[in-house]
Amino acid sequence: LAKTTQPISMDSYEGQEVNITCSHNNIATNDYITWYQQFPSQGPRFIIQGYKTKVTNEVASLFIPADRKSSTLSLPRVSLSDTAVYYCLVAPNDYKLSFGAGTTVTVRA
Amino acid sequence: DAGVIQSPRHEVTEMGQEVTLRCKPISGHNSLFWYRQTMMRGLELLIYFNNNVPIDDSGMPEDRFSAKMPNASFSTLKIQPSEPRDSAVYFCASSLLGGERSYEQYFGPGTRLTVT
Repeated sequence: LAKTTQPISMDSYEGQEVNITCSHNNIATNDYITWYQQFPSQGPRFIIQGYKTKVTNEVASLFIPADRKSSTLSLPRVSLSDTAVYYCLVAPNDYKLSFGAGTTVTVRA
Repeated sequence: DAGVIQSPRHEVTEMGQEVTLRCKPISGHNSLFWYRQTMMRGLELLIYFNNNVPIDDSGMPEDRFSAKMPNASFSTLKIQPSEPRDSAVYFCASSLLGGERSYEQYFGPGTRLTVT
């Protein structure tokens, strides 16, 4: 499994864009990149997945450079309710997900 | 859809007792995952099933842990005998694997287990 490295924590304010960068230098050719969000006392929730370039959905955007050694999750115009832990995962084709420590994002008013 | 259903939500038991956690996956999903989350070790995959068959149980900590999936709508995770170090939040997740590759797993609310 490719190891991922992401910041332990990030602070932001309401209305700002939050960008979380994750490095995964040892990503394999068939691996996908996926991000999950977890609120306290809840199970993780899938946000987005991608293989290369850019993916956008109603919640976030995922930017993946050509070398795929890193990825950036972009949360537009965050609100207080976006305060959560965000996990970057490299997903192999056996569908086993390995969650790291994640990034705790705190959004302040 | 009701989502993934887990029961009980909270369980407090004494060391040495048998504990059974239950999970009902989302209807139509063909894969089920059991995870454990602690402050020290984070979120760990214990075992996962595809079409009711255990595919990978390498994350099961020891023989005291066992999991079954007798049908597509029900799974159990059993700990016997339980120990204080088993205290954690146990999550069940389900997904639809096959076709287009998707890593979207739907997690249940979890069972908070406390072993005294």
